[in-house]
Amino acid sequence: GENVEQHPSTLSVQEGDSAVIKCTYSDSASNYFPWYKQELGKRPQLIIDIRSNVGEKKDQRIAVTLNKTAKHFSLHITETQPEDSAVYFCAATLNTNAGKSTFGDGTTLTVKP
Amino acid sequence: SAVISQKPSRDICQRGTSLTIQCQVDSQVTMMFWYRQQPGQSLTLIATANQGSEATYESGFVIDKFPISRPNLTFSTLTVSNMSPEDSSIYLCSVGLGGGYGYTFGSGTRLTVV
Repeated sequence: GENVEQHPSTLSVQEGDSAVIKCTYSDSASNYFPWYKQELGKRPQLIIDIRSNVGEKKDQRIAVTLNKTAKHFSLHITETQPEDSAVYFCAATLNTNAGKSTFGDGTTLTVKP
Repeated sequence: SAVISQKPSRDICQRGTSLTIQCQVDSQVTMMFWYRQQPGQSLTLIATANQGSEATYESGFVIDKFPISRPNLTFSTLTVSNMSPEDSSIYLCSVGLGGGYGYTFGSGTRLTVV
């Protein structure tokens, strides 16, 4: 089955700096890659996603890049703010697999004011 | 996107007992997914629930331990049976967001087994 590795497990940045979280996946047939943000005590929420036919997608301060050849994708957050502090999960999905997602282990991002 | 109501939000249960978790969706959805999230860890898929058929369980999860019902396109239950302290976790239901394969999640059930 699919295996997703996520790095780093923890990341601390100064407010205003950029943060990058990287994930690799094993199944070349995976074709949808969402990112979720989970604040303490709350449910995960989808923040951005990318499909395998796209190399980059941007939404305001967040962007995701995908390298299908290398089977890795990354989340980029620019101009970080304290409210960006949360756990971020990447996931890989095979749409022929009933839409099931395999999640990375998560990255705890702390943005220091 | 769909809105999911999940209950109970938390419970403390005695070992050997069972707890049923309910998820109600405000729109009809084909598939519902049940995840487990142990403290400080990632999300692990327990099973996929389709209406009108038996749930499909992931490796390491069995129907006798985690029976699932899916009586219609807006509702599902997950039962955690014969609980032990190792079952202490957060259980989340989820459904696909329209137009893609991203999820929206229920608010979760924090289960503590004593």
